[in-house]
Amino acid sequence: EAGVVQSPRYKIIEKKQPVAFWCNPISGHNTLYWYRQNLGQGPELLIRYENEEAVDDSQLPKDRFSAERLKGVDSTLKIQPAELGDSAVYLCASSSLNSPLHFGNGTRLTVT
Amino acid sequence: AQSVTQLDSQVPVFEEAPVELRCNYSSSVSVYLFWYVQYPNQGLQLLLKYLSGSTLVESINGFEAEFNKSQTSFHLRKPSVHISDTAEYFCAVSRMNRDDKIIFGKGTRLHILP
Repeated sequence: EAGVVQSPRYKIIEKKQPVAFWCNPISGHNTLYWYRQNLGQGPELLIRYENEEAVDDSQLPKDRFSAERLKGVDSTLKIQPAELGDSAVYLCASSSLNSPLHFGNGTRLTVT
Repeated sequence: AQSVTQLDSQVPVFEEAPVELRCNYSSSVSVYLFWYVQYPNQGLQLLLKYLSGSTLVESINGFEAEFNKSQTSFHLRKPSVHISDTAEYFCAVSRMNRDDKIIFGKGTRLHILP
């Protein structure tokens, strides 16, 4: 089966600019996650979707971050405006009832 | 709430030597436990998991982990490491019987010395 696909692989932007990340989960996986992984740290959950509904967005900084999962398949994560502290790897993952978490390769964001 | 502690941020070990990566968790409810591996410039991959049943779980590449409820631990072991095992290893926990978020530890970087 095809894995979780994320794009872009790398992104370099100046602070205050907007940025968007895209994720295509594994076919049939109803649950989609966005995690942020800072250097030297484990992944931290930003938002979790069940189909198109965001069921846990308690860790999402809502003043600048937004996410959507139209039609319950692909998802985008947006930051506007980006800050220096947003530099990290943004990981998308998907799962289903009988399948553990599968991660994409991530998008490495550098804010200068 | 659940939490995971990986005490060792880096573990150097000689090739063909045994290794243990330590993981302790905290939870007021029963949990599922996982080990994920992240090779350089790649995403996380599930290495092994404990859901129920036998407390000793194994991966296809020779790693094993044992769930110890009394010590709230899920240490990862391999009797003989290979250079290809160089990676970062993350222990993770989620609540049992809940389709819930997985909480990760900070990771342990395994350095294999020639």
